[in-house]
Amino acid sequence: DIQMTQSPSSLSASVGDSVTITCRASQSISSYLNWYQQIPGKAPKLLIYAASTLESGVPSRFSGSGSGTDFTLTISSLQPEDFATYYCQQSYTTPNTFGQGTKLEIK
Amino acid sequence: EVQLVESGGGLVKPGGSLRLSCAASGFTFSSYNMNWVRQAPGKGLEWVSSISSSSTYIYYADSVKGRFTISRDKNSLYLQMNSLRAEDTAVYYCARLLTAARAGDYWGQGTLVTVSS
Repeated sequence: DIQMTQSPSSLSASVGDSVTITCRASQSISSYLNWYQQIPGKAPKLLIYAASTLESGVPSRFSGSGSGTDFTLTISSLQPEDFATYYCQQSYTTPNTFGQGTKLEIK
Repeated sequence: EVQLVESGGGLVKPGGSLRLSCAASGFTFSSYNMNWVRQAPGKGLEWVSSISSSSTYIYYADSVKGRFTISRDKNSLYLQMNSLRAEDTAVYYCARLLTAARAGDYWGQGTLVTVSS
């Protein structure tokens, strides 16, 4: 199975800051990397798919990059609604493993 | 409007069975691959199973293989769960998959399954 490792596991930031979350795959997954945002008690929301394609309706302050094994999610100019948990997921092969999550908290 | 609505969760004893349903509307269900993903209380997301649009391709996580069965019909997705264990306790989500990227672009609200004596 492909292991997905996110870092950091938690992050504190202020409104207006820019933050970057990284996700590393245990083997190459080409660009089959997706990013989700989850607010407590809610279903995950797709932000980025295919490593860098912004899902329709997602603000442009979210961006993704990377290919192969190393990927990043960047959120520029944090807004109050961005404080949530973020997950990466590989869809290259089954099992479609998720990272352990990164909890973004308000400083 | 795309909608996915799960149902069928509840409290079940270890070794018992449950059948989850996911009712789809607002899109051509037969054109999309679908996923089940679960989340244990306070934990991260875990992919459970996938089914292709025509049911030709079906995949399971090792943790549920041989106990869970995914299926679909005209407008619904199902997950038959047998031989349930305490570690199967989770919120179960169904998700529609983008065709090429295989990312979950629409998710249901989830249904809670609790396995406890």
